[in-house]
Amino acid sequence: GALVYQYPRRTICKSGTSMRMECQAVGFQATSVAWYRQSPQKTFELIALSTVNSAIKYEQNFTQEKFPISHPNLSFSSMTVLNAYLEDRGLYLCGANSGTANTEVFFGKGTRLTVV
Amino acid sequence: GEQVEQLPSSLIVQEGASVLINCSYTDSASVYFPWYKQEPGKRLQFIIDIRSNMERKQNQRLTLLFDKKTKHLSLHITATQPGDSAIYFCSARNYAQGLTFGLGTRVSVFP
Repeated sequence: GALVYQYPRRTICKSGTSMRMECQAVGFQATSVAWYRQSPQKTFELIALSTVNSAIKYEQNFTQEKFPISHPNLSFSSMTVLNAYLEDRGLYLCGANSGTANTEVFFGKGTRLTVV
Repeated sequence: GEQVEQLPSSLIVQEGASVLINCSYTDSASVYFPWYKQEPGKRLQFIIDIRSNMERKQNQRLTLLFDKKTKHLSLHITATQPGDSAIYFCSARNYAQGLTFGLGTRVSVFP
């Protein structure tokens, strides 16, 4: 079956430092990978959508300078949170799918970021 | 961009009762509408989806209705069980975007 492995599951970083999270797709080709953030008591916000062989599209309030994303092949993507501060804490999810926009999205278990 | 409104924000029901969750979206270009269930410490779980060329989809105790004209979806869960307690999210996607999620509905089912 199709699975997405995401790691680390939890991480704590000091304010002003950076941390990287990764996603591995197994059993399907991750043509598109989207990264989301769920801040405490909130819904999932789309950070950016990466499609292989296309430019990465960032949503309003999120920038490449703050959340650089790599999507080098059909099975792997990573995102870094640069200069993390308290407002960056939350659960970060990657969601990947193959094919078109109306195909099922497979999610990793998420990376919970705590900033101290 | 797309906006998804989801109501109610929370529901408390007794085991065996039914639950209805409503969602509306704004972008007529959205074509795919998956729903997810979030339980503490677990992976976001896909439960059902519908595409814009469909009006109804059923998966066991879940029935999802879609009205393209009014841009409205509703999820009906019948014969609820304590294991159905979770936060449920509707979402919408068009060809150029990732998923836009509603704010979630916290469902609590008591025995």
